[in-house]
Amino acid sequence: ETGVTQTPRHLVMGMTNKKSLKCEQHLGHNAMYWYKQSAKKPLELMFVYNFKEQTENNSVPSRFSPECPNSSHLFLHLHTLQPEDSALYLCASSQGRERPQHFGDGTRLSIL
Amino acid sequence: AQSVSQHNHHVILSEAASLELGCNYSYGGTVNLFWYVQYPGQHLQLLLKYFSGDPLVKGIKGFEAEFIKSKFSFNLRKPSVQWSDTAEYFCAVNAVNYGGSQGNLIFGKGTKLSVKP
Repeated sequence: ETGVTQTPRHLVMGMTNKKSLKCEQHLGHNAMYWYKQSAKKPLELMFVYNFKEQTENNSVPSRFSPECPNSSHLFLHLHTLQPEDSALYLCASSQGRERPQHFGDGTRLSIL
Repeated sequence: AQSVSQHNHHVILSEAASLELGCNYSYGGTVNLFWYVQYPGQHLQLLLKYFSGDPLVKGIKGFEAEFIKSKFSFNLRKPSVQWSDTAEYFCAVNAVNYGGSQGNLIFGKGTKLSVKP
């Protein structure tokens, strides 16, 4: 049990679909993150939220839209994705930006 | 731009062999350093971290890492590996900016370790 729960675990969608990834942390942390993990590439930071405010958008295309309604929940809304967006999407949280991050199991996304 | 290099993509060892995984980073200032591990089918989890103090850091499961500032390195070591250490290992670094604010966590590409029983 990691304390960071991501749903769904697997998602297959077409390029014209709209779907959302959900992340919930039960650790009382105040910072949450979305990462993209592709084969043979380093983890890529996508978004950072600190106390529900987005503090970082790492040049992510607008077809990815994050939402952080409170410090425990983080969503990634997906729309009109491309095949190259197929990857493992990881959510993480930490108590402050300077503390180690706790990761969820990830959502394996496949774009047809 | 900051970067993290892990030189070995895949390391294969027999049980009881000694392990050293290389990690180098590019940033001239103060850094925090981490090793994360991802066992097959599991989430990324913290193995050990260095913020300040003794540059030799002890982590869980008998792992240790040494921060050598002059070499910009933070290599991971274990004297005797076990089959259960089979996993992917990620080095990560974040810069501590002037004033103490933290930069983003930058990850290496990872090193896959396979331990043969």
